[in-house]
Amino acid sequence: GESVGLHLPTLSVQEGDNSIINCAYSNSASDYFIWYKQESGKGPQFIIDIRSNMDKRQGQRVTVLLNKTVKHLSLQIAATQPGDSAVYFCAEKGLMEYGNKLVFGAGTILRVKS
Amino acid sequence: DGGITQSPKYLFRKEGQNVTLSCEQNLNHDAMYWYRQDPGQGLRLIYYSQIVNDFQKGDIAEGYSVSREKKESFPLTVTSAQKNPTAFYLCASSIDGAGGYNEQFFGPGTRLTVL
Repeated sequence: GESVGLHLPTLSVQEGDNSIINCAYSNSASDYFIWYKQESGKGPQFIIDIRSNMDKRQGQRVTVLLNKTVKHLSLQIAATQPGDSAVYFCAEKGLMEYGNKLVFGAGTILRVKS
Repeated sequence: DGGITQSPKYLFRKEGQNVTLSCEQNLNHDAMYWYRQDPGQGLRLIYYSQIVNDFQKGDIAEGYSVSREKKESFPLTVTSAQKNPTAFYLCASSIDGAGGYNEQFFGPGTRLTVL
C-alpha cells in the first residue's frame, strides 16, 4: 500500500517461494491498473496490467488480482527468483483535464534470499 | 532498436543554473511524460504532452519548463526557480494520452544533483 518517505514496506522471500505484493488504490472510478518493477538506478519496467472489468489476469509467472470492492490490487509472483529483487509499484489511471495520467503508489521493496 | 533514451545519466548543477534534460523516443508514441522520483517515494508527474506542440502541467510543474517541437523529443528544463531539484528524473511515453488503456514506457532516468 501507500507509504511515506523512506520507509517503504519490504517483503523478504526465499528463492523459489511465491511472493504477494499488495497495493491499495485511492479512486473508485479508476478503470485501469498497472504493475511496474524498478531495479536500482533504472527506469520502471512494465510487468502486467488489468482493466476494471476483470478480477484476475495472468502473465508469465505473474498474476494480478483486482478487488474493486475494497480498492485493492495484488501482484503474485510464482517461484520467485533473485532477479525479481526490485521495487514494485502499482499505478492507477487517473483523469487529467486533458488526457490520462498514472497515479503511482510509493512502492514495495521485494528482497529474494538465496 | 526501439525505446526511450535519456541523457545524461548523471547531471550536476550549481545553484542558480538552469539545466536541460533530454528525452528521445523512436516508438512513434504521441504522448510523453516527465516524472520526478525522490528516495522512497513514488513517481510524481511534472509535465505531459499528448501531441506535438502541446503540453500541460502535471502535479509539480513549478520551477520546470518543457517543449514539444518534435514528436520524438520532449526536453525538460529545470530552472533556478525549482527550490529542491536534486532527484531522479524519468521520462515516459505512451501510444496516446487521451483515453485508451495504454501503459507508459519509461526511459533509464537522469539523476540530477545540485551542488
